[in-house]
Amino acid sequence: GQSLEQPSEVTAVEGAIVQINCTYQTSGFYGLSWYQQHDGGAPTFLSYNALDGLEETGRFSSFLSRSDSYGYLLLQELQMKDSASYFCAYNQGGKLIFGQGTELSVKP
Amino acid sequence: ETGVTQTPRHLVMGMTNKKSLKCEQHLGHNAMYWYKQSAKKPLELMFVYSLEERVENNSVPSRFSPECPNSSHLFLHLHTLQPEDSALYLCASSQEGSAGGVGELFFGEGSRLTVL
Repeated sequence: GQSLEQPSEVTAVEGAIVQINCTYQTSGFYGLSWYQQHDGGAPTFLSYNALDGLEETGRFSSFLSRSDSYGYLLLQELQMKDSASYFCAYNQGGKLIFGQGTELSVKP
Repeated sequence: ETGVTQTPRHLVMGMTNKKSLKCEQHLGHNAMYWYKQSAKKPLELMFVYSLEERVENNSVPSRFSPECPNSSHLFLHLHTLQPEDSALYLCASSQEGSAGGVGELFFGEGSRLTVL
């Protein structure tokens, strides 16, 4: 079958580090993406991993292990503005399939 | 204008109405997508157009009819919808074949549809 699993909610405090995990199951896989969506806004692209390893973009990093069908998004030095929903999505060759999203709440 | 723009932003329609959602991308991309986002559910891929040809129709009911007249415009024609079709409809574009592949989609703000 095809599926993506990520936690539905995560809460953290300002300045902390949070990791959002994503596991997937699919017959065709080209890479894993992460998107951020604020309430009422459009999803915006954060990162893409086609190969195993860590990709770093400022305060955000994303990791992929193809052998484990697993990835995560790491957010460092959390800020209040990071409160949003975060989606992992796998590239199935010409289309992106999204997970249910993780709602991150950052508290003061 | 830049990016991906969708109109209307909000739409209320009865089950017997016919309406259309419009999407325009100003990024020079060669692929466009329709996604449906319902509360507490993942973004569901509905249609994919690559180089103006429909390459994906994800088992979407025929009451949704897409149209892609050129690489910059995408429409979603709606008729005899059901209340459960109420959702946020998101349009996106991407450049296939680039280094980023389909890992990076550019989304519009969405059209919030309510079916009464």
